[in-house]
Amino acid sequence: GENVEQHPSTLSVQEGDSAVIKCTYSDSASNYFPWYKQELGKRPQLIIDIRSNVGEKKDQRIAVTLNKTAKHFSLHITETQPEDSAVYFCAAGKTSYDKVIFGPGTSLSVIP
Amino acid sequence: KAGVTQTPRYLIKTRGQQVTLSCSPISGHRSVSWYQQTPGQGLQFLFEYFSETQRNKGNFPGRFSGRQFSNSRSEMNVSTLELGDSALYLCASSSQAGVNSGNTIYFGEGSWLTVV
Repeated sequence: GENVEQHPSTLSVQEGDSAVIKCTYSDSASNYFPWYKQELGKRPQLIIDIRSNVGEKKDQRIAVTLNKTAKHFSLHITETQPEDSAVYFCAAGKTSYDKVIFGPGTSLSVIP
Repeated sequence: KAGVTQTPRYLIKTRGQQVTLSCSPISGHRSVSWYQQTPGQGLQFLFEYFSETQRNKGNFPGRFSGRQFSNSRSEMNVSTLELGDSALYLCASSSQAGVNSGNTIYFGEGSWLTVV
């Protein structure tokens, strides 16, 4: 069945450094790749998404890249800040709608 | 616009009992999905409803069921509760307005279920 893998499971970076989280997906028909941030005790919230007709998308300090051939996509956070500390989930789905499958999450800690 | 609303927020049940959780999607959203979140297991997909029909189902036993009403509100039910069912149950809604509109899902705050 569909599967999304995510690495690393935990990540600690110094404030100001960059953080990279990588995901792979199994369903080659997937064409929608959102990223969610979940702060402790709160709901997951969408921070950025990318569709398969785009290779890269940027929003301020956050960028996502997609390699459809390799079925890889990544989240890049630059100039990390303590408030970036959270669990980040990647996901894969289809715009014609199928279930959205989430990766297991990456716990990011930004050390001041 | 109000967000996704879930009730109850917290509940404690005994093994063997059943529980019903409720979800009201964002106004205008017709798709409702349910996820189970446990530490170390991430977000596990339970099922998705659209226009009162279950379109997708995850790999959960038949004790987990759901339904959607004509106003898009959804409920999920877990029968014969087990200790392992203790988790945060998240509901998410999506507009599904068309093929090119994407399927961004918005989560509710969740219902924390503890089975003792």
